[in-house]
Amino acid sequence: AQSVTQLDSQVPVFEEAPVELRCNYSSSVSVYLFWYVQYPNQGLQLLLKYLSGSTLVESINGFEAEFNKSQTSFHLRKPSVHISDTAEYFCAVSAITSYDKVIFGPGTSLSVIP
Amino acid sequence: DSGVTQTPKHLITATGQRVTLRCSPRSGDLSVYWYQQSLDQGLQFLIQYYNGEERAKGNILERFSAQQFPDLHSELNLSSLELGDSALYFCASSVEGSGANVLTFGAGSRLTVL
Repeated sequence: AQSVTQLDSQVPVFEEAPVELRCNYSSSVSVYLFWYVQYPNQGLQLLLKYLSGSTLVESINGFEAEFNKSQTSFHLRKPSVHISDTAEYFCAVSAITSYDKVIFGPGTSLSVIP
Repeated sequence: DSGVTQTPKHLITATGQRVTLRCSPRSGDLSVYWYQQSLDQGLQFLIQYYNGEERAKGNILERFSAQQFPDLHSELNLSSLELGDSALYFCASSVEGSGANVLTFGAGSRLTVL
């Protein structure tokens, strides 16, 4: 079975400062990795994903995440945050099998301070 | 609008009652997932269906049941409700149900048990 740990439940950061949201996973098989974002009063939506290939993946709004197999990590980073980035961020994992459930971490609440 | 429709948006009921939550997946998606989101448990995977068949099961209580109908919509039935069942219930859909598929989430159904 897979599991996901997000060490920081809340991350306050000033606007235009860099941020890193940490994610570690546990799995006995190879995995796909995802970051989803949940804005207030909305459902989750995909931010970025790692399926294979380059270990560094980017989103259209400036976030990036790097898959580190040896450290079983998939940390999310952004060099300069905006007020609009305030949201809950969920790291997720699924096993590379034909069909498997997606397991989410507990989430990190990012608060951008003006 | 993500394309995944959940009804009702809000539901208030009493302990011991039974409710049904409905989900219509995004057009073209064959797989439906149900998740429960609460403050203390985070986002918990309940169950997944693919083209009418149960594909994966998570931490779903015996008081809960679900099904996916031939038109691909899904219903989550919650019975003998307890206070602890109060939560936000999300439905998500994906094209195939593979672990590599991106999940598209609905806006959720907020259940309050009094």
